[in-house]
Amino acid sequence: ETGVTQSPTHLIKTRGQQVTLRCSSQSGHNTVSWYQQALGQGPQFIFQYYREEENGRGNFPPRFSGLQFPNYSSELNVNALELDDSALYLCASSLGWSSTDTQYFGPGTRLTVL
Amino acid sequence: SQQGEEDPQALSIQEGENATMNCSYKTSINNLQWYRQNSGRGLVHLILIRSNEREKHSGRLRVTLDTSKKSSSLLITASRAADTASYFCAIILTGGGNKLTFGTGTQLKVEL
Repeated sequence: ETGVTQSPTHLIKTRGQQVTLRCSSQSGHNTVSWYQQALGQGPQFIFQYYREEENGRGNFPPRFSGLQFPNYSSELNVNALELDDSALYLCASSLGWSSTDTQYFGPGTRLTVL
Repeated sequence: SQQGEEDPQALSIQEGENATMNCSYKTSINNLQWYRQNSGRGLVHLILIRSNEREKHSGRLRVTLDTSKKSSSLLITASRAADTASYFCAIILTGGGNKLTFGTGTQLKVEL
């Protein structure tokens, strides 16, 4: 157990809808990163938040947005869902964002877009 | 596109045998990490090797890194059925904070 939790476990949405995924980091971890993992692929970095500010973004469109709260919880929001957004969404928390700060992953939320 | 490519894509061995997985990447890195993922769920950090290190051990795991060839290998010795999982290498690019760039993964199956 990494101490990182995510909700919900599974989610089914329709194309064009909006979705909010939630993550609870380990206490004391100021950094949260989100990844998208398509079936049969490795995870891809979406963005990272440090102390409630965005601290880097991968190659994802603006309809992917996030929030980080002072209580070590965070959200990933996706607007105007597309079929290709179907994937496992993983959050990972770490103490900081230096190159040796280990990331601890949650179990993921599996999103299906119909 | 993903930076890391892993080889083989799938590996099936008997319990007690050793399993070796390879990872290649294309650019300058700060460090390289290996993760395990069971049944499409969360990833578990296994080991980190810095760019100035050549070999690292952790229990039954041995990782090597050759920055001149831009490649790494993960060796699991005396494998067990519980080692059945997908294994991913992930690189930290120079100046990239701790953002992980993952490879495509190797599916390992250890049979009794």
